[in-house]
Amino acid sequence: DGGITQSPKYLFRKEGQNVTLSCEQNLNHDAMYWYRQDPGQGLRLIYYSQIVNDFQKGDIAEGYSVSREKKESFPLTVTSAQKNPTAFYLCASSTPGQEQYFGPGTRLTVT
Amino acid sequence: GESVGLHLPTLSVQEGDNSIINCAYSNSASDYFIWYKQESGKGPQFIIDIRSNMDKRQGQRVTVLLNKTVKHLSLQIAATQPGDSAVYFCAENTPQTGANNLFFGTGTRLTVIP
Repeated sequence: DGGITQSPKYLFRKEGQNVTLSCEQNLNHDAMYWYRQDPGQGLRLIYYSQIVNDFQKGDIAEGYSVSREKKESFPLTVTSAQKNPTAFYLCASSTPGQEQYFGPGTRLTVT
Repeated sequence: GESVGLHLPTLSVQEGDNSIINCAYSNSASDYFIWYKQESGKGPQFIIDIRSNMDKRQGQRVTVLLNKTVKHLSLQIAATQPGDSAVYFCAENTPQTGANNLFFGTGTRLTVIP
């Protein structure tokens, strides 16, 4: 059963704590992406990776970090430096030039 | 029913009617466009795509039209069903921004009235 998985679906953290969101894909895609979505808004790109061991900042990378040690995995860490971390986080993957496939998302709430 | 995604973010249609969702894209260099459907609390789902060398592409009950002259994209849904209720996003890809990086519009919420 191929696809993208994100875990957990819901995540709660206290302010000041770092938290890591998981994203795994078994589609053999080279490129992976992290987006943030706020209520009633579109998707904003946080980080993307076109190949293992390489990644680039997107439009709103401040306060986030990523790693790409394996082709299948692209975890996102939301650090305490992120001013407004509460949001819906979406991971996606793609073959270059083709559509992006999205995971089910993780809803992070920081209080 | 018809809406412009960025100016009228909601569209209500009767079940069985056709829906038209519009999107104005920003970059004349964009060469690849995608429509996604997002249900509440879920990730976006691919509907249909079109490349800039085409004006029209059809799928099952959906048609995408591309007008490069005015930088306009539309999604037509035939015989709209309650299951079509969702937020619809258009996304554009511009080659110079990197392989397959997409810029998403704000989205249009489609509500189907039974």
